[in-house]
Amino acid sequence: SAVISQKPSRDICQRGTSLTIQCQVDSQVTMMFWYRQQPGQSLTLIATANQGSEATYESGFVIDKFPISRPNLTFSTLTVSNMSPEDSSIYLCSAGVAEGLDEQFFGPGTRLTVL
Amino acid sequence: AQKITQTQPGMFVQEKEAVTLDCTYDTSDPSYGLFWYKQPSSGEMIFLIYQGSYDQQNATEGRYSLNFQKARKSANLVISASQLGDSAMYFCAMREDPSNSGYALNFGKGTSLLVTP
Repeated sequence: SAVISQKPSRDICQRGTSLTIQCQVDSQVTMMFWYRQQPGQSLTLIATANQGSEATYESGFVIDKFPISRPNLTFSTLTVSNMSPEDSSIYLCSAGVAEGLDEQFFGPGTRLTVL
Repeated sequence: AQKITQTQPGMFVQEKEAVTLDCTYDTSDPSYGLFWYKQPSSGEMIFLIYQGSYDQQNATEGRYSLNFQKARKSANLVISASQLGDSAMYFCAMREDPSNSGYALNFGKGTSLLVTP
């Protein structure tokens, strides 16, 4: 299994600012994903982070708002840009190995509040 | 269309009793995987159990078992001997054939479980 850490664990930000969330996995993984969980809701996939290339975004999410980097197999960042109160959510990093389709693990999440 | 349906927004169970959390899914892929996660109030997502579409036997992990009924497209989670620490949100999720849909998971809306003394 993979152990995933995220920084920061929580933050309170002002409208119009940006926040970058870091995700570190303790072993090399093939797949990394970013999810958003709005208050009282389920998880929604934002994008798949691809190593060395542009992320693959889901419908309703765009690169200008949620730029993602993945410089290597164990690290990824998600930036929430030009934030508004609607961006207040838990952001979760997830990782897995393609060959091990029966496993997908999550980081502890970043709890973001936008004022 | 919703791919994962969890019809129980909230459930109560008494300590030491067993509880079943319902999950139905919708896919036309012959190859898929079903996952259950636990989310306590801290927000982390804890992987509980996995069932592959081709697995012949129901998955079990300690006190967790998955009642997999493929023809009915249901994958209910059974928690035996409930403990107070089992109180949390529980999410059912599905990964469809990666060649069609990639490796991401589709989640249901979740069931809130409260275990009472």
